[in-house]
Amino acid sequence: EIVLTQSPGTLSLSPGEGATLSCRTSQTVRSSYLAWYQQKPGQAPSLVMYGASNRATGIPDRFSGSGSGTDFTLTISSLEPEDYAVYYCQQNDTSPMTFGPGTKVDMK
Amino acid sequence: EVQLVESGGELVQPGGSLRLSCTASGTTFSLYGFNWVRQAPGKGLEWISYISSSSGNTMDYADAVKGRFTISRDNAKSSVYLQMSSLGDDDTAVYYCSRERWFGDREEYWGQGTVVIVSS
Repeated sequence: EIVLTQSPGTLSLSPGEGATLSCRTSQTVRSSYLAWYQQKPGQAPSLVMYGASNRATGIPDRFSGSGSGTDFTLTISSLEPEDYAVYYCQQNDTSPMTFGPGTKVDMK
Repeated sequence: EVQLVESGGELVQPGGSLRLSCTASGTTFSLYGFNWVRQAPGKGLEWISYISSSSGNTMDYADAVKGRFTISRDNAKSSVYLQMSSLGDDDTAVYYCSRERWFGDREEYWGQGTVVIVSS
């Protein structure tokens, strides 16, 4: 199975600061099959980015995604209060679908 | 608007069985495959099962549940089911269903989750 590693585990940042979240995969993942999810406490995950660099419906352009192969990045250019959450990367290139352990973005 | 509603979660004793349901609305149900994903308390997301669209001929399971869980679907009821047996403490989690996302889809739909607690 493809193992996803996310770093850092926690990002403590103030509103207006930028956030860079990393996801590394243990094997090459085609970009089309790499997604990012946001999860807030008590809520289901929601899609943020698909195909590594495509914003999901309703996601503001302060969110961007990049990467290929085994290294992927989610960037939030300027944090808004509603962006504080846990972010998971996911690969669906090879079964089983796997998720990273998550990066928590919390308010400094 | 697409909605997925899970149900069936409850407190169950170790070794017991449970059937979860996921009922969809606002979507042409038979066209889509569905996943079950779970989240143990304070932990991350774990995919556990998938069933393909239409007749559901393709099913897939995570190793952690293979042989114990069975996924199925009833297109007439717009529902997907997860039959769980031989439940253990590590099956305690919120169980989410999600509709598969087709290539290029900008949206993905998840239910609100149903809670399964395995405890004596």
